[in-house]
Amino acid sequence: QSVLTQPPSVSGAPGQRVTISCTGSSSNIGAGSDVHWYQQLPGTAPKLLIYVNTNRPSGVPDRFSGSKSGTSASLAISGLQAEDEADYYCQSYDSSLSSWVFGGGTKLTVL
Amino acid sequence: QVQLQESGPGLVKPSQTLSLTCTVSGGSISSATYYWSWIRQPAGKGLEWIGRIHTSGSTNYNPSLKSRVTISVDTSKNQFSLNLSSVTATDTAVYYCARSRSYSGSYVFEYWGQGTLVTVSS
Repeated sequence: QSVLTQPPSVSGAPGQRVTISCTGSSSNIGAGSDVHWYQQLPGTAPKLLIYVNTNRPSGVPDRFSGSKSGTSASLAISGLQAEDEADYYCQSYDSSLSSWVFGGGTKLTVL
Repeated sequence: QVQLQESGPGLVKPSQTLSLTCTVSGGSISSATYYWSWIRQPAGKGLEWIGRIHTSGSTNYNPSLKSRVTISVDTSKNQFSLNLSSVTATDTAVYYCARSRSYSGSYVFEYWGQGTLVTVSS
């Protein structure tokens, strides 16, 4: 059971928009801890996708966007492409656990 | 562009110590800006942060693993290492090393190694 809760899977057709939620608690996201998102393509290491809730590293398309509110955060992907098919993980810091924590991951399927 | 590469045995016997090294290239491990972490991922499962070290030698560990984990740094070789003692089958996973830095007080895992699979089995 992960400290941060994500839906196990989401899907969408090419060109559509999907969102992935990340729900935490008062000891992590709700306490003001920032949320970061990673993309893990099949058989590869995770790659930083969004940092500090809304920021994209250089090279990440603006089709990817992040938001945070209360005890939750979301990753939105617009204009879905086949290459977006991957696992996505949210990450934050939990003050009760004194540890950096990840969500359980969400598998995105492009139909 | 910084690169990280994990190395170490792919098979460890139960009750023994898992030892891995991460070699950093394209940047200095001695930079005060960064922390160096170990993260693992069991097959088909999510990510778990194990611990981190700073060039100063300061460490932080996941409380759930703290009693079994030691992370060290060798600045002369631009490497840092993980020792996980008393391993069991539940420690079987892909182990990643990663570089993190602070953005407004929030630590982000910017760069990752490709990962190395460690299997615990007799």
